[in-house]
Amino acid sequence: NAGVTQTPKFQVLKTGQSMTLQCAQDMNHEYMSWYRQDPGMGLRLIHYSVGAGITDQGEVPNGYNVSRSTTEDFPLRLLSAAPSQTSVYFCASSKRGLAGAKETQYFGPGTRLLVL
Amino acid sequence: SQQGEEDPQALSIQEGENATMNCSYKTSINNLQWYRQNSGRGLVHLILIRSNEREKHSGRLRVTLDTSKKSSSLLITASRAADTASYFCATGITGGGNKLTFGTGTQLKVEL
Repeated sequence: NAGVTQTPKFQVLKTGQSMTLQCAQDMNHEYMSWYRQDPGMGLRLIHYSVGAGITDQGEVPNGYNVSRSTTEDFPLRLLSAAPSQTSVYFCASSKRGLAGAKETQYFGPGTRLLVL
Repeated sequence: SQQGEEDPQALSIQEGENATMNCSYKTSINNLQWYRQNSGRGLVHLILIRSNEREKHSGRLRVTLDTSKKSSSLLITASRAADTASYFCATGITGGGNKLTFGTGTQLKVEL
């Protein structure tokens, strides 16, 4: 299994440009999430999905859109990039836990985004 | 706001020593997890402890959970230079869906 893959690894955007960060997993996990990590901070949840066709907002959703048309893919779209969105973005997936408990999350290698 | 707060923010020890990191959180949780992040890489899951558990072991790792104090600790015994990394606690809350809330992390440096 490739696990969780993310593309691109690094991207430079100009303010106002849009782009899509790709995330795919081959573990048939129901749950997928997007986080951003900024210097000196932990990961903050942007959006998450509990299954195909279902998405919800996390802690910092503004400026980002997601969709989940298949179990495998969970792309993150930046609608109009801003310098404040310069960050490292991580995608993660996990399987449904027992009795509602949330299981281990598996992380991708990250996408480093620089917005000028 | 961050659910988890790690302490200390940075820790430097000699190889062979034990390293202890602490995590405090604010609300009731379903489970607490510890993750490791090497510089420039993604996070790797280390261990999960559920709210009805008090202690868990995995190799050189020992995790404790005190729900009355809303705190957890991660102990790495006989540390190695390869343990140098950032360590994050993450909490899953009851009724929180699949969301995990991460702390700000402890940077561990193990020197030869």
